[in-house]
Amino acid sequence: NAGVMQNPRHLVRRRGQEARLRCSPMKGHSHVYWYRQLPEEGLKFMVYLQKENIIDESGMPKERFSAEFPKEGPSILRIQQVVRGDSAAYFCASSPQQGEGYTFGSGTRLTVV
Amino acid sequence: GESVGLHLPTLSVQEGDNSIINCAYSNSASDYFIWYKQESGKGPQFIIDIRSNMDKRQGQRVTVLLNKTVKHLSLQIAATQPGDSAVYFCADRTPSGGSNYKLTFGKGTLLTVNP
Repeated sequence: NAGVMQNPRHLVRRRGQEARLRCSPMKGHSHVYWYRQLPEEGLKFMVYLQKENIIDESGMPKERFSAEFPKEGPSILRIQQVVRGDSAAYFCASSPQQGEGYTFGSGTRLTVV
Repeated sequence: GESVGLHLPTLSVQEGDNSIINCAYSNSASDYFIWYKQESGKGPQFIIDIRSNMDKRQGQRVTVLLNKTVKHLSLQIAATQPGDSAVYFCADRTPSGGSNYKLTFGKGTLLTVNP
C-alpha cells in the first residue's frame, strides 16, 4: 500500500502561470482533502472531495483556485495565474470514511517567482 | 478563525526527559482530536487520537489527555528521543453540515530534543 502520493514534490512557477498539483489517495480511500501550509504555520483546510463531487470548498479562495477528483485518476488542485502569495506547501490527505483515518501525503511545495 | 491553538510555539527538552505539548480548542462541538508529528520537508504523520467520550489514551511512549471542561488537550511523550524532534500539531474535528466533518489544525509546537 503506497500511501498518499503527491506530485510533483517541488514546483516552480512564474507569476501568471498555472500550477497543477496531483494527489493519488490511498487504495480504498474515496475521500480527499487539500490543505495549504504557509511557513511556520498550521495547515489550513481548502477543500474536501469525493469521487466526482466537491463536498466542502469553504476554504478555497473564490478566484483562481479549483479542485477536482475525477472518476478515474488523481485529484487535481489547480491554481490559475499564480501570484507570489500562492507560494506554500500544499498537502493532500485521504481517508476511508469521512472525518476519520486521515493519511497525509508528503506535499507539493509551490514556489512562485 | 482558529478553533484550535497551542500555548507554546517552541519546547526544548533534554534527551530522556518527558515532554508535554499543550493545545486548546474553542468549539464545544469538537468530538474527535488527533495529534500529528511533522518533520521538516514531510507531511503530517498520525501519532495518536482520542474521542470526546474519553479523557485519556495511551500509545507507545505517548499519552493524550483530554479535558473537555476547559477545552484542553495535551500530548505527553515519555523518554523523549532526538528522533522526536519535529513540529507537533493538534487537530480537532467538528461537524460541518449534514454528515460531514472538518478537521482544523493549530499552529504547531516545535519540539527540540537536546542530546
